[in-house]
Amino acid sequence: GAGVSQSPRYKVAKRGQDVALRCDPISGHVSLFWYQQALGQGPEFLTYFQNEAQLDKSGLPSDRFFAERPEGSVSTLKIQRTQKEDSAVYLCASSLASGSHNEQFFGPGTRLTVL
Amino acid sequence: EDKVVQSPLSLVVHEGDTVTLNCSYEVTNFRSLLWYKQEKKAPTFLFMLTSSGIEKKSGRLSSILDKKELSSILNITATQTGDSAIYLCAVGQAGTALIFGKGTTLSVSS
Repeated sequence: GAGVSQSPRYKVAKRGQDVALRCDPISGHVSLFWYQQALGQGPEFLTYFQNEAQLDKSGLPSDRFFAERPEGSVSTLKIQRTQKEDSAVYLCASSLASGSHNEQFFGPGTRLTVL
Repeated sequence: EDKVVQSPLSLVVHEGDTVTLNCSYEVTNFRSLLWYKQEKKAPTFLFMLTSSGIEKKSGRLSSILDKKELSSILNITATQTGDSAIYLCAVGQAGTALIFGKGTTLSVSS
C-alpha cells in the first residue's frame, strides 16, 4: 500500500519490559514524526526526523524513550523498562517536505498497554 | 506556552443538522492550521489553512482561518452518521512540532 504502516498494531507488555515499535513511512517522504496519544487527548509530539537526522527529540518524556531512523526510511521507537503511564497509542506520521507545517500522513498507530 | 484549544469537547446532533467546530490557538511562529478526522484508526487529513479569510471546501465540509482572532472553524452541513468521529485541530510552526488540540468528539444520531 501507499500509506504509512506501523507494527505491531497492538502490544501488551509487562511493566519493566522493553518494546520496539516500527514505522514504515510513505516512500520518498523526508520528514517523519512520532506522537503519543493518550485516551481522550490529542496526539502529543515526541520526536522528528528529517531523513536520517533526528532534529528534535524535545517531546520524548524520559530517557527511556529512544527513536532512530538509520537509513532515512523506516523508523523504530524503543521504550525501555516500560511503565504503566506509557500506555497510549503511538502514532507515526510522514511528510514529503521538511518541517511540521505541511500535511502529515498518519499511520494506524500502535496501541501499547503496559500491565 | 504554545497551545491549541478546541470547543466544544463533545457534541451530539441529529442527521441533517449543521455543526460548527471551533479551534483557537496561541502559538509562536505560526505557519499553518490543519484539521484532521480521526475515527478508530489514523487521523485523516481534511484541510490545511495558511491564509486568513479564504474558505476551503470539500463536499459538505468547509473551514476558514482568522489570523486576527487566532482561530479557525470547521463547518459540516447536512451531517450524516458517517461524520461521527473525533475532529482534531493542529497548528504547524516554523519548527518541528505539530501542536494538537484535544479534539471535538462528534456523534451524529440517525
